[in-house]
Amino acid sequence: GAGVSQTPSNKVTEKGKYVELRCDPISGHTALYWYRQSLGQGPEFLIYFQGTGAADDSGLPNDRFFAVRPEGSVSTLKIQRTERGDSAVYLCASSLAGPGTSGSYEQFFGPGTRLTVL
Amino acid sequence: DQQVKQNSPSLSVQEGRISILNCDYTNSMFDYFLWYKKYPAEGPTFLISISSIKDKNEDGRFTVFLNKSAKHLSLHIVPSQPGDSAVYFCAASGNNFNKFYFGSGTKLNVKP
Repeated sequence: GAGVSQTPSNKVTEKGKYVELRCDPISGHTALYWYRQSLGQGPEFLIYFQGTGAADDSGLPNDRFFAVRPEGSVSTLKIQRTERGDSAVYLCASSLAGPGTSGSYEQFFGPGTRLTVL
Repeated sequence: DQQVKQNSPSLSVQEGRISILNCDYTNSMFDYFLWYKKYPAEGPTFLISISSIKDKNEDGRFTVFLNKSAKHLSLHIVPSQPGDSAVYFCAASGNNFNKFYFGSGTKLNVKP
């Protein structure tokens, strides 16, 4: 079956612009995670959704970052007034289960969106 | 502060030999540990996991060892194959599984 997909694969924008990054999780996966990976670092947690609700958004660096998952499937990460420091690969992952549920916690990652802010 | 650390940025091993990748963590509340493998331009792929109630988990050529008292885990790959060449990340989570902390990765090169 299809894995996690992310669009676009690459996004180049100018400082101060608004961007949206999209994640299509594996069908039936209730848990969805966004991570940010900078060069030479591991993925850094941003936000976790269980269904439609953001169960943990403690990793969002500031209020310029926002994410939604209105129907419990596709999620969009939104970044306002982009800064050069936002340049990174943004990874999305989904899993069959999440906290308080039974099932596998194995996260399946998408290929990421490489964001470059000039 | 980095709660999960991989202190070796790279490791080179001969094909057929054992690869040992190490990971240390600082948070004693971590309950669940995972290893991921990542090829360039792809997302990380899950390899193997271990919960804190165990000290060893094995899956084929891959074995993960957990030493809770030392807050240390390691991934053993035996025998190593050239296709194992990739970046390996360890990750940890508390028992609520809502947030996973990743190390900075170790780049493994298996030489034919």
